[in-house]
Amino acid sequence: RKEVEQDPGPFNVPEGATVAFNCTYSNSASQSFFWYRQDCRKEPKLLMSVYSSGNEDGRFTAQLNRASQYISLLIRDSKLSDSATYLCVVNLNDYKLSFGAGTTVTVRA
Amino acid sequence: DTGVSQDPRHKITKRGQNVTFRCDPISEHNRLYWYRQTLGQGPEFLTYFQNEAQLEKSRLLSDRFSAERPKGSFSTLEIQRTEQGDSAMYLCASRQPLAGTYNEQFFGPGTRLTVL
Repeated sequence: RKEVEQDPGPFNVPEGATVAFNCTYSNSASQSFFWYRQDCRKEPKLLMSVYSSGNEDGRFTAQLNRASQYISLLIRDSKLSDSATYLCVVNLNDYKLSFGAGTTVTVRA
Repeated sequence: DTGVSQDPRHKITKRGQNVTFRCDPISEHNRLYWYRQTLGQGPEFLTYFQNEAQLEKSRLLSDRFSAERPKGSFSTLEIQRTEQGDSAMYLCASRQPLAGTYNEQFFGPGTRLTVL
């Protein structure tokens, strides 16, 4: 079983729509959680950390459910510039990040 | 540009040849990581350094792979006797010394390797 699993999508949504997707992780001892964004043929960049209480950063909301071992990301009022692959990332220990395969989001005009 | 840099950005080689990639981390970052990413997958951890010490290696890192960080600054990743299965994007990331729970890794642009 993969350490982090994501729905690959693609999620095709119109501008202004809300899109949400989840990922699940297998190791209950995982310490911290992140969403990274990766544009086509570019490096991953941190979008936001995910906290147990849930957190927002502008139009982006992340939630963590430790009991069910899943993480979610919601994007409100989608923009064309939100088109990217969103990588769910779990930090197992001090050094190792485990990445999901990514969820592709395409926002159309 | 004060971000993580990698060289070369692209490398095409023939099967059986050796290749070496370089990573220059952000200057005050003492931790340096190597990942490999294939099409449709997320990055997979290969190895990491704290200063010049290589502290962990993934099982993905076969004996054909070697990484060094001799002076605790830049790092090199060498692949000997390349195979077609080595074709991937090789990403380097760095991180500042652990401060509380903040542990963002900053990625370089990657070296895309194609083995013919």
